[in-house]
Amino acid sequence: NAGVMQNPRHLVRRRGQEARLRCSPMKGHSHVYWYRQLPEEGLKFMVYLQKENIIDESGMPKERFSAEFPKEGPSILRIQQVVRGDSAAYFCASSEGENTEAFFGQGTRLTVV
Amino acid sequence: DQQVKQNSPSLSVQEGRISILNCDYTNSMFDYFLWYKKYPAEGPTFLISISSIKDKNEDGRFTVFLNKSAKHLSLHIVPSQPGDSAVYFCAASATGANSKLTFGKGITLSVRP
Repeated sequence: NAGVMQNPRHLVRRRGQEARLRCSPMKGHSHVYWYRQLPEEGLKFMVYLQKENIIDESGMPKERFSAEFPKEGPSILRIQQVVRGDSAAYFCASSEGENTEAFFGQGTRLTVV
Repeated sequence: DQQVKQNSPSLSVQEGRISILNCDYTNSMFDYFLWYKKYPAEGPTFLISISSIKDKNEDGRFTVFLNKSAKHLSLHIVPSQPGDSAVYFCAASATGANSKLTFGKGITLSVRP
């Protein structure tokens, strides 16, 4: 049973470009969470999705960031017009349901140059 | 506003001795607490959790203690092993809060052979 798969592992984008981060949850998991970790910080919640629905996006920046979890395919975190401050590690996690353990992927390290 | 605090950034212990990692929280709505272990360039790995209805949970070498009145929890690792060297994150969630986790900044544990 494969774990949470994130790709790419590393992503370099120039300022103003778009970044797309993908996350395939563990088999049987329908709950997906995205977290961001800035240097020397803990992980910060961004968004919680179930299939085709955004349940909680209270941690998402109001502009340039969006997330989806379509009926088929991976969850996508999209960052438009990236800026240097977007450089961080972005982690996806999945769980079977609410209040069950969330399992994390290895993360995507985004570097904006 | 740091709702989950890990005030010691690092801890060094001798192999075979006990490691005690502390965590404090301020949000009285938190009712589920987790510890994650993280190696460099990898995602967090779930270690152990505890519900607020308990004050202790044990799993092999790992024990988590919860003191609700003090809003304090601790992770005990005994005996400590060199492979335990990693960053340890304390996290908390609240029922009805869509399972989103609030993380501390992490403690870097070094176990000396």
